[in-house]
Amino acid sequence: SQTIHQWPATLVQPVGSPLSLECTVEGTSNPNLYWYRQAAGRGLQLLFYSVGIGQISSEVPQNLSASRPQDRQFILSSKKLLLSDSGFYLCAWSVTGGETQYFGPGTRLLVL
Amino acid sequence: AQSVAQPEDQVNVAEGNPLTVKCTYSVSGNPYLFWYVQYPNRGLQFLLKYITGDNLVKGSYGFEAEFNKSQTSFHLKKPSALVSDSALYFCAAYTGRRALTFGSGTRLQVQP
Repeated sequence: SQTIHQWPATLVQPVGSPLSLECTVEGTSNPNLYWYRQAAGRGLQLLFYSVGIGQISSEVPQNLSASRPQDRQFILSSKKLLLSDSGFYLCAWSVTGGETQYFGPGTRLLVL
Repeated sequence: AQSVAQPEDQVNVAEGNPLTVKCTYSVSGNPYLFWYVQYPNRGLQFLLKYITGDNLVKGSYGFEAEFNKSQTSFHLKKPSALVSDSALYFCAAYTGRRALTFGSGTRLQVQP
C-alpha cells in the first residue's frame, strides 16, 4: 500500500532563516505531488504541484520554492522565512492522471 | 472561476442524531467532488468522492454524500453521529488542472 511521509512534524524558525520541508511517497511510481498551506486551521491553498522529476508548477508567487529531485521526493524550501510563512504545510500525492489526492500528516511551521 | 462553498463554519449535533454538512459548487463541465476530514494537527483523510453514476455516494466511517446537479450541491450526511466524528470537514472539487479547489471547511461538533 502507499504511504506518504512528511518531516519534520513541527518546526520553529526565526524570521530570515532558511527552510526545508521534505515529503516522500512509498508504494507508487511517478505520482503527482502537491504542496498546500493551511493557515489558521481552515482553508487550503495550493502552493506547488509536480507531475514528474524536475517539473514544478507554482500556483502562488511568494518567497517559497519547491523541488523534486527524485520521483517520490518533494521538497519545499525558502531562503529567508517571513512571519507570514507560519502555517500548517501539507503534502499530497495522486496517481498519474488521477483526481483523488492523499495527504501526508503535515508539518506545523512557526516563524518567530 | 471554479469555487466550492461551505456555508456553515460550524455544525453542532447531538450524538445519535443525523448530521448534514453542506457544500455547493461552481464548476464548469461535469464535476468531480470530494469530502475530506481533518482531525486536530493531522493531515486530511479522504472520505468519499463523486465522479459519475449514482447520486448517493457511500464512503468511510458510515458517511455518505448526495450529489444534486440542479442545486449544485454535494452535502455530506451520516444517519447517526458519533462524538468521534467531531472534526473539520472539507468539500473539494477537481478542476481538471491537476488541482483540487477546497471549500473553507466546516467544523463538526458532536455533543455527547
